[in-house]
Amino acid sequence: AQSVTQPDIHITVSEGASLELRCNYSYGATPYLFWYVQSPGQGLQLLLKYFSGDTLVQGIKGFEAEFKRSQSSFNLRKPSVHWSDAAEYFCAVDLTNAGKSTFGDGTTLTVKP
Amino acid sequence: NAGVTQTPKFRILKIGQSMTLQCTQDMNHNYMYWYRQDPGMGLKLIYYSVGAGITDKGEVPNGYNVSRSTTEDFPLRLELAAPSQTSVYFCASSNLGYTFGSGTRLTVV
Repeated sequence: AQSVTQPDIHITVSEGASLELRCNYSYGATPYLFWYVQSPGQGLQLLLKYFSGDTLVQGIKGFEAEFKRSQSSFNLRKPSVHWSDAAEYFCAVDLTNAGKSTFGDGTTLTVKP
Repeated sequence: NAGVTQTPKFRILKIGQSMTLQCTQDMNHNYMYWYRQDPGMGLKLIYYSVGAGITDKGEVPNGYNVSRSTTEDFPLRLELAAPSQTSVYFCASSNLGYTFGSGTRLTVV
């Protein structure tokens, strides 16, 4: 079964600082990869996705993610965090292009003033 | 463009009552899902569907039922509500990425 690991349960950064959220998956093939954000009391929103090609993908809200095949990772980054970025972030993988993704347990981002 | 619409947004049920959570999407997606999210936790898949007339169990299907008579609609049925079903329920549809509804917050007392 495909497995997704988000090693950091909770991360705190200062506003204006850079951010990197980690995501690792455990499977031999390259899956479809996604990052979602969930603001308090809201549903999840797709930030970005990777299927193939350029390993650095751009998403909404100034986020980007880099796929590294050698590390089975798909880390989410943002150069300068804003207070409104405080939320829960979920990594997800779809190995078989069957449409059904497996979600990580999420990373809670707190932004300090 | 409405996306995925869930109703109701909030509901309080008494133990043993039943209810249906409604979910409809207007994007003509074949894949639809129901998840539950407990406080501070991730998503757990209850049921999913790959198209009209086809449904399958996820990780935590016990106590729930679904049907998919049309592409647009994917209702979730709770037959005998239990306190363990207190949660936030999300419906989603997908086509190379998920679109989620805004959720139904259910409390069973």
